[in-house]
Amino acid sequence: KNEVEQSPQNLTAQEGEFITINCSYSVGISALHWLQQHPGGGIVSLFMLSSGKKKHGRLIATINIQEKHSSLHITASHPRDSAVYICAVQNYGGSQGNLIFGKGTKLSVKP
Amino acid sequence: NAGVTQTPKFQVLKTGQSMTLQCAQDMNHEYMSWYRQDPGMGLRLIHYSVGAGITDQGEVPNGYNVSRSTTEDFPLRLLSAAPSQTSVYFCASRRGVYYEQYFGPGTRLTVT
Repeated sequence: KNEVEQSPQNLTAQEGEFITINCSYSVGISALHWLQQHPGGGIVSLFMLSSGKKKHGRLIATINIQEKHSSLHITASHPRDSAVYICAVQNYGGSQGNLIFGKGTKLSVKP
Repeated sequence: NAGVTQTPKFQVLKTGQSMTLQCAQDMNHEYMSWYRQDPGMGLRLIHYSVGAGITDQGEVPNGYNVSRSTTEDFPLRLLSAAPSQTSVYFCASRRGVYYEQYFGPGTRLTVT
C-alpha cells in the first residue's frame, strides 16, 4: 500500500469551477507539501503545512492531522491552473525529514 | 538568484556508458536531493546530502553515486548506464529540514 494516496488521479473541470484534490497518508508526519508540476516539467512548491489551513491567492490547503488527510482547493479555476498537483509528506520518523511523494493528480481546466 | 540549475536538459546514453548529471544552487542551502520521476510513480529519492561532505542513500540508490564537496554543487554519477535508468531526474535543495524544497528544471535521460 502506498504511504501517500491522492485522489482523483485525473480531473477535468470547466473554467470557473471550484476544485478539490485530496491526499491521504498512512505515516506519522512532521509536515505536508503541495507541489505543482507544469506541462513543461518544472516543479514548484505551493504550500508546506503542519496544521490548519494556508491560503495563497486562489489556492487553499488544509490538513487534518488526526484524520491523516489534506486537501488542496482551487477557487475560480482557470486554464493556466492545468498541471499535475503532487502531495508529499515529510516522514516524522524518517531520515532527515525526506519527502514521500504521491503519484500526483493531473488537472485539466477547459475554457 | 538562479535558484537550482541542472545540466544537461536532455541526454541519450548507450548501455554501459557513464555520465554525471550536474546540479548547483546559489541559495546557500544545506540540504540537497536527487530524485527520479517515472511514469505512474511518484518522485523517488536516490541520494541526499545534509551538508558539504555528508551524503546518504535514499530509496533507489543502486547504480548511482554522489558527492558533495561544496555547499553549491551536488553531482549525480551514473556508473554504468542501464535502460532501467531511463527517467527524468530532478535535483532539489532546501534551507533545512522544515523548509520548502526548490527544484531544478530536470534532466531527461534515455538509455538505449
